[in-house]
Amino acid sequence: GQQLNQSPQSMFIQEGEDVSMNCTSSSIFNTWLWYKQDPGEGPVLLIALYKAGELTSNGRLTAQFGITRKDSFLNISASIPSDVGIYFCAGLYSGNTGKLIFGQGTTLQVKP
Amino acid sequence: EAQVTQNPRYLITVTGKKLTVTCSQNMNHEYMSWYRQDPGLGLRQIYYSMNVEVTDKGDVPEGYKVSRKEKRNFPLILESPSPNQTSLYFCASSFKAGGVNEQFFGPGTRLTVL
Repeated sequence: GQQLNQSPQSMFIQEGEDVSMNCTSSSIFNTWLWYKQDPGEGPVLLIALYKAGELTSNGRLTAQFGITRKDSFLNISASIPSDVGIYFCAGLYSGNTGKLIFGQGTTLQVKP
Repeated sequence: EAQVTQNPRYLITVTGKKLTVTCSQNMNHEYMSWYRQDPGLGLRQIYYSMNVEVTDKGDVPEGYKVSRKEKRNFPLILESPSPNQTSLYFCASSFKAGGVNEQFFGPGTRLTVL
């Protein structure tokens, strides 16, 4: 099945540092989503992007929907220990089936 | 509290022994979906349901069945589990499919097939 290419696969950073991760696809998406998964839990939506070029913030998180509609990035500023987890990008598949196409995930570890 | 619940949370079973993972949501959502999560592959959709009695295959449906007899429940059935179905399974629901409708995920079921 179709997949998004998400990078990096993992990051180990110092508390207070900024983080950037991105997703690319060979297909166009009309909606890009960013989720966070904490250990032992399901993914939780962080940011949703509905329009090419859109830049949206949620606290220390900022995400952008690429102009080509084939990519998106997520930035986390001034990381804190509770940012630890797995971050997934997802594209909403066209055709109104509600199917989400997920990236492979970025595992983030923050050293206090 | 609005939520998606799954049972069991953990299951170890043997090849060929039929099992059912239940999923229930209390948000009156029309759309429900099952995903499996495997290392390095992210989440992949198994089956989805647009409404009661309406189900369809996702990307990896082989070896799975679902039913949607009631709006709130969407069980995942493995008639004859095999080791390659060892995975972490998530149920999700949303008011409707796609658009601005956020999908809410359950806590996951970790299945091991020996």
